[in-house]
Amino acid sequence: EVQLVESGGGLVQPGGSLRLSCAASGFTFRSYWMYWVRQAPGKGLVCVSRINTDGSSTGYEDSVKGRFTISRDNAKNTLYLQMNSLRAEDTAVYYCARGLNWDWGQGTLVTVSS
Amino acid sequence: DVVMTQSPLSLPVTLGQPASISCRSSQSLVHSDGNTYLNWFQQRPGQSPRRLIYKVSNRDSGVPDRFSGSGSGTDFTLKISRVEAEDVGAYYCMQGTHWPLTFGGGTKVEIK
Repeated sequence: EVQLVESGGGLVQPGGSLRLSCAASGFTFRSYWMYWVRQAPGKGLVCVSRINTDGSSTGYEDSVKGRFTISRDNAKNTLYLQMNSLRAEDTAVYYCARGLNWDWGQGTLVTVSS
Repeated sequence: DVVMTQSPLSLPVTLGQPASISCRSSQSLVHSDGNTYLNWFQQRPGQSPRRLIYKVSNRDSGVPDRFSGSGSGTDFTLKISRVEAEDVGAYYCMQGTHWPLTFGGGTKVEIK
């Protein structure tokens, strides 16, 4: 069974940093592109970042470029999202998702507030 | 970026009646490999999204056959042939052809 378990969310002040993790199991992690998708409270879905199978190619949505960094450790079956210079508008549930099949984790809530 | 426009925003439906959601893209979703990467997701209240349909009209495993997808180019539709209580929630189209991947704004299906 495919499992994606996000962690690392929490309350952070504007300008602060957080690192999200997504532990994957039940499939060959190194074979899949992975994504981070966020959902602000009561709002729709936004894909903020993607990474290819070996981590050599990444992509970012414009509002997070230069502030967020996606990475992966295929030996640990784990996806990461380093979030710096956080803003109030980054407040959202962050989901990791497996490409191709689009399985999703349960999400982790990031709240940016003073 | 490709803009995905869904309608309606809200869809009150009587149990057992059909429902239809429209999704239009600002540019063609036909990929250079010939595929059209248009997905539909369901998000029940308090849950993570779940994919229902991929590449326009292919149902994911375990998805009831009352769900169907159709369309081409820039114009797509999700249909529920007979709405059941478990279908309540938000539905999103998503294009996977162009980066960044983009979602429609969502359609909330509720029971009248």
